[in-house]
Amino acid sequence: NAGVTQTPKFRILKIGQSMTLQCAQDMNHNYMYWYRQDPGMGLKLIYYSVGAGITDKGEVPNGYNVSRSTTEDFPLRLELAAPSQTSVYFCATEGADTQYFGPGTRLTVL
Amino acid sequence: GENVEQHPSTLSVQEGDSAVIKCTYSDSASNYFPWYKQELGKGPQLIIDIRSNVGEKKDQRIAVTLNKTAKHFSLHITETQPEDSAVYFCAASYGGSQGNLIFGKGTKLSVK
Repeated sequence: NAGVTQTPKFRILKIGQSMTLQCAQDMNHNYMYWYRQDPGMGLKLIYYSVGAGITDKGEVPNGYNVSRSTTEDFPLRLELAAPSQTSVYFCATEGADTQYFGPGTRLTVL
Repeated sequence: GENVEQHPSTLSVQEGDSAVIKCTYSDSASNYFPWYKQELGKGPQLIIDIRSNVGEKKDQRIAVTLNKTAKHFSLHITETQPEDSAVYFCAASYGGSQGNLIFGKGTKLSVK
């Protein structure tokens, strides 16, 4: 039981490039979330999903897109990367009234 | 927009002393208040949570209190140990959904 896994762990992008951050869970949880954490700050919700085929915007969705075709996977897409998207990205699931976080992806946009 | 204020931003205590971290929130509809511990290079880990129908909850050395009238909640750690050193985040639900959380900016706790 791996819990919540995220790939890659680190990535450097050039301005204008695009990429997909992967998140997978094997706990069969319906609820999944994407957060970003800027240095010295708390987490901000980007997008969330309450089940396969259903996604919704969080607090800071601009510049990002998500999809949820299966219960297990919840990828986060960055189109036209900008320096403001330099951050650590955390994926989380929710089950039994508890959120479980992945180890994070550290993204730098130069 | 909704907001969660967390104080202090840094806290240094001697081993064995108590540590208290306080948060205030703005959304009167918030009904779920979790606390997370984040160690360097890792994702946040839930350590305790409280819901709006409860005023206090305790789990061994950790306790959380909630004052809904004043819209503030606090984390209390007793008999602190070096392994308690980490960044602690409070959060509050918003929009009536438990899963939508607004986080405080974090408190870096150092136990010496």
